[in-house]
Amino acid sequence: ETGVTQSPTHLIKTRGQQVTLRCSSQSGHNTVSWYQQALGQGPQFIFQYYREEENGRGNFPPRFSGLQFPNYSSELNVNALELDDSALYLCASSLDGGGGYTFGSGTRLTVV
Amino acid sequence: KQEVTQIPAALSVPEGENLVLNCSFTDSAIYNLQWFRQDPGKGLTSLLLIQSSQREQTSGRLNASLDKSSGRSTLYIAASQPGDSATYLCAVQGAQKLVFGQGTRLTINP
Repeated sequence: ETGVTQSPTHLIKTRGQQVTLRCSSQSGHNTVSWYQQALGQGPQFIFQYYREEENGRGNFPPRFSGLQFPNYSSELNVNALELDDSALYLCASSLDGGGGYTFGSGTRLTVV
Repeated sequence: KQEVTQIPAALSVPEGENLVLNCSFTDSAIYNLQWFRQDPGKGLTSLLLIQSSQREQTSGRLNASLDKSSGRSTLYIAASQPGDSATYLCAVQGAQKLVFGQGTRLTINP
């Protein structure tokens, strides 16, 4: 059973640029969620995807967008990067959005 | 709006001690509660999942309890070891998302 894998592990971008983060869900899981974790804070919910549709969104602006593919993998896109977007971005997968979440190792994004 | 609080924010104890980490939440309408461990700069590792109908779960030296009516959960770690040093996060699951506390940073001193 493969776990959740995220790529890349680290990324440095310039303010105003766009970034795409990728996530492969755990085998057998059909739901993917994305979280943002600032330094010293708990993760904050960005959005969830189920059956390729957005199925819940946290308090994040529209420049945060995502996709889920037929194989349940997912992308997080952030446009017009701001310095405050610097954080650890975590992807989690689950079965039907319940029964416990499995997290990936995260992508560390630094915006300069 | 669900809010999750973890106390204490940081804890430092000598090796071998038994310890308790606390988690409280404001809305008892949860599907389940999950405890995670996070090493510095890393992702989250699931430790224990307690379904809303359950009172506790055990895995090795870890035991987690859930009292939905009072909005509380505790994580008990027996015979602590230096390798247990990490940040421990509590998360409650509502519709479509997990709501996390800010974590307890645990240091076990040899």
